[in-house]
Amino acid sequence: RKEVEQDPGPFNVPEGATVAFNCTYSNSASQSFFWYRQDCRKEPKLLMSVYSSGNEDGRFTAQLNRASQYISLLIRDSKLSDSATYLCVVYSGAGSYQLTFGKGTKLSVIP
Amino acid sequence: ETGVTQTPRHLVMGMTNKKSLKCEQHLGHNAMYWYKQSAKKPLELMFVYSLEERVENNSVPSRFSPECPNSSHLFLHLHTLQPEDSALYLCASSQRSRGPEYPNTGELFFGEGSRLTVL
Repeated sequence: RKEVEQDPGPFNVPEGATVAFNCTYSNSASQSFFWYRQDCRKEPKLLMSVYSSGNEDGRFTAQLNRASQYISLLIRDSKLSDSATYLCVVYSGAGSYQLTFGKGTKLSVIP
Repeated sequence: ETGVTQTPRHLVMGMTNKKSLKCEQHLGHNAMYWYKQSAKKPLELMFVYSLEERVENNSVPSRFSPECPNSSHLFLHLHTLQPEDSALYLCASSQRSRGPEYPNTGELFFGEGSRLTVL
């Protein structure tokens, strides 16, 4: 089983749609979870951290299910500017430098 | 001035060449990283330097040689590379706590990358 697994997409959605991305991780001892965003030919940038209780930042909602080792990202009211690749990232624990990245899910928001 | 700058942005080299990638961070962070990003693969951690000492080396081939002269600068020396080494090489920095008991925030600040093509 891959360490961090994501549906690669692409997800092609119209403006205004709601889209959800899923991610599973294999290391049950993982401590922290993140979504990064990578625009085409650009570097990855932190979008948001994922907390156990779930968290929201504007149109973005992240959720974590530790029992199922599953993370999700929901984007409401999609904008053209949301088009990017979304990377699921898992941190294995204190003392480690290892952030494990998924391959990413590509989103294209269409006018 | 951007937080993490990388040069060159693009590099084409033959298999017998020797070249270096350079990274500089202006964020006052205490850890720097080299990542490799290949098409259809996740980012792969190559090297980590924390407090200027190399902390992790994920079995990267010896044809890649990192150097970290101070907390702001990081180099990746390349020699006798193979065509499969063609990829985007990303430098990143972060601020890590001084003790393993404190969690890492998980926020890496990446440079724009050096796109390497090996002929």
